[in-house]
Amino acid sequence: EDQVTQSPEALRLQEGESSSLNCSYTVSGLRGLFWYRQDPGKGPEFLFTLYSAGEEKEKERLKATLTKKESFLHITAPKPEDSATYLCAVSSNTGKLIFGQGTTLQVKP
Amino acid sequence: DVKVTQSSRYLVKRTGEKVFLECVQDMDHENMFWYRQDPGLGLRLIYFSYDVKMKEKGDIPEGYSVSREKKERFSLILESASTNQTSMYLCASSLLLSSGNTIYFGEGSWLTVV
Repeated sequence: EDQVTQSPEALRLQEGESSSLNCSYTVSGLRGLFWYRQDPGKGPEFLFTLYSAGEEKEKERLKATLTKKESFLHITAPKPEDSATYLCAVSSNTGKLIFGQGTTLQVKP
Repeated sequence: DVKVTQSSRYLVKRTGEKVFLECVQDMDHENMFWYRQDPGLGLRLIYFSYDVKMKEKGDIPEGYSVSREKKERFSLILESASTNQTSMYLCASSLLLSSGNTIYFGEGSWLTVV
């Protein structure tokens, strides 16, 4: 069964304290893995798409990596404005899109 | 930049009313989607459309219908709103998903049914 699991559910960091969010997946024929940021009361904002194991993408303090079983979203020296819920999703060769439950990140000044 | 626009951000409707949620995308995407998002339940797919006048049921279609008369526009219809349909509704669009294309979301529509 296709499945996406994100951990931890919630993460509290001090400003400047680097950490990683995990997205483990089981899918028949991965076509793409997506990371989104969602602020309270708003729609998910696209961050990255990863297609194959070993691929990495960066944007400001965020770096996404992909292996055959999981993806990590590394946050380097986070700031309070990085506080949000981060969603992971995968698309399969059947065109199905499966979302994880999200990780809620709080960065304290 | 891709833009998915949901016409209503906040709505309050009465039980039994017919509700229309409108969504427009400007990137000529074939696929359009309606999700609802509830605390603890994550994103759940209501309906999607892969072409004009075409639609497929998602995971929770009961109580909803959709309309896609033009490629850029996808409407979600609640024929008779009920309180358990109070939620945030998200519209999204993409090119072919099985090719790994990214799905883009609108800002969301908060619906309260009283």
